[in-house]
Amino acid sequence: NAGVTQTPKFRVLKTGQSMTLLCAQDMNHEYMYWYRQDPGMGLRLIHYSVGEGTTAKGEVPDGYNVSRLKKQNFLLGLESAAPSQTSVYFCASRRRDPSATEAFFGQGTRLTVV
Amino acid sequence: DQQVKQNSPSLSVQEGRISILNCDYTNSMFDYFLWYKKYPAEGPTFLISISSIKDKNEDGRFTVFLNKSAKHLSLHIVPSQPGDSAVYFCAACAWNNDMRFGAGTRLTVKP
Repeated sequence: NAGVTQTPKFRVLKTGQSMTLLCAQDMNHEYMYWYRQDPGMGLRLIHYSVGEGTTAKGEVPDGYNVSRLKKQNFLLGLESAAPSQTSVYFCASRRRDPSATEAFFGQGTRLTVV
Repeated sequence: DQQVKQNSPSLSVQEGRISILNCDYTNSMFDYFLWYKKYPAEGPTFLISISSIKDKNEDGRFTVFLNKSAKHLSLHIVPSQPGDSAVYFCAACAWNNDMRFGAGTRLTVKP
């Protein structure tokens, strides 16, 4: 059982380049999230999705786009990377449950924009 | 705006003593709260949670307390062990499944 898998694990981009981070979960979870972690800032929510075909903005959505075409995948796109987007990115998934449930996280993607 | 706040960046305690980590939130729409533990180069892992209808939840050495009127929760670890040394994140979840995290507290448990 792989859980939540993020691809790639490391990447270096030049300013202005584009890329897509892939998050895949095999737990049939309805909810998926993208966060970025920066020193002293904790985990900040970029975008999230409550189901296939739906997405919503978090607290720091600017400069990112997302898509949830399949239930098991949540893609995070950077159209024109900037040095301010240098960060560690975490994806998480969570089951829909009336009593609410914990989220499971991937191992993270370390992105450096030069 | 930071809707979930952990005002102590770090905490150091002696092995065997109690560790108390604090968290405050500002959004009244949060109704489910969680604590996560994170080691370097790994994703956060779930530790314990509490629903807004409760004021306490216990799991072994870990207890979470919720004070809704003060919009405050805390995580107690008793007794603390060196293996508990990690960064602890408080998280809060709203009805629309928006889930926010605090900045984290680095706990060091000294042998």
